[in-house]
Amino acid sequence: DAGVIQSPRHEVTEMGQEVTLRCKPISGHDYLFWYRQTMMRGLELLIYFNNNVPIDDSGMPEDRFSAKMPNASFSTLKIQPSEPRDSAVYFCASREREGYGYTFGSGTRLTVV
Amino acid sequence: QKEVEQNSGPLSVPEGAIASLNCTYSDRGSQSFFWYRQYSGKSPELIMSIYSNGDKEDGRFTAQLNKASQYVSLLIRDSQPSDSATYLCAITGKLIFGQGTTLQVKP
Repeated sequence: DAGVIQSPRHEVTEMGQEVTLRCKPISGHDYLFWYRQTMMRGLELLIYFNNNVPIDDSGMPEDRFSAKMPNASFSTLKIQPSEPRDSAVYFCASREREGYGYTFGSGTRLTVV
Repeated sequence: QKEVEQNSGPLSVPEGAIASLNCTYSDRGSQSFFWYRQYSGKSPELIMSIYSNGDKEDGRFTAQLNKASQYVSLLIRDSQPSDSATYLCAITGKLIFGQGTTLQVKP
C-alpha cells in the first residue's frame, strides 16, 4: 500500500487566496483526520470523518476553513481566504477502525505571505 | 488543564542509556494510548500502542500504562543516536496529542 497520500507537499500563497489541500487515505480505512501542526500549538485536530461523514469539526478554527470527503478515497481541506497565521504543516491521517492508531501522510507545508 | 501533558524537554541521554518519556492525561475514560515518533521535518509514525494497565514490550521499546494514576510512559533501552526525535503521546479514539518530548541521544 502507498500509505496516506497528500498533495501538494509545499504550498506558498498570498494572503487572501484560496488554498486547497488534498488527501487520499489508505484503502479500507474508515476514518480520516485532518491535523495542523505549529511550533506554538503542536498537533491540533481540525476535523475527522467516519465513512465519509464529518463527525467532529470543533477544531476547525474559523469559517474560512472547510473540509469535504466526497468518497472513501479522497478528502480536501480548503482555506478561503488564507491568512499568514494559517501557515503551518497540515497532516492528513487515516485509521482502519476505532481504537487503532493512525497512519499519517507526509504533510503539506503551507506558507501564506 | 491540558488533556495530555508531556515535558517538552529536551531530554538528553548518552548512547546506550535508558530514555524515559512520560505523559499524563486528564480523561479517566480514555481507553487507547499511543506513542508516536516524529523526526524533524517528517510526519509522526506510530511506534507503540497500549490499552491495558501494565507493561508492553516491543524490541527496545516498553510502554507502561497506569490508569489509576492517569499516567503512560515510554522506555527506550540501549538508546541510539537514531532515536533522537520528538516523541508524542496520544490518547483515545479521537487522538489528542501532547506537545511532545524532544529526545537527544548523544554518541
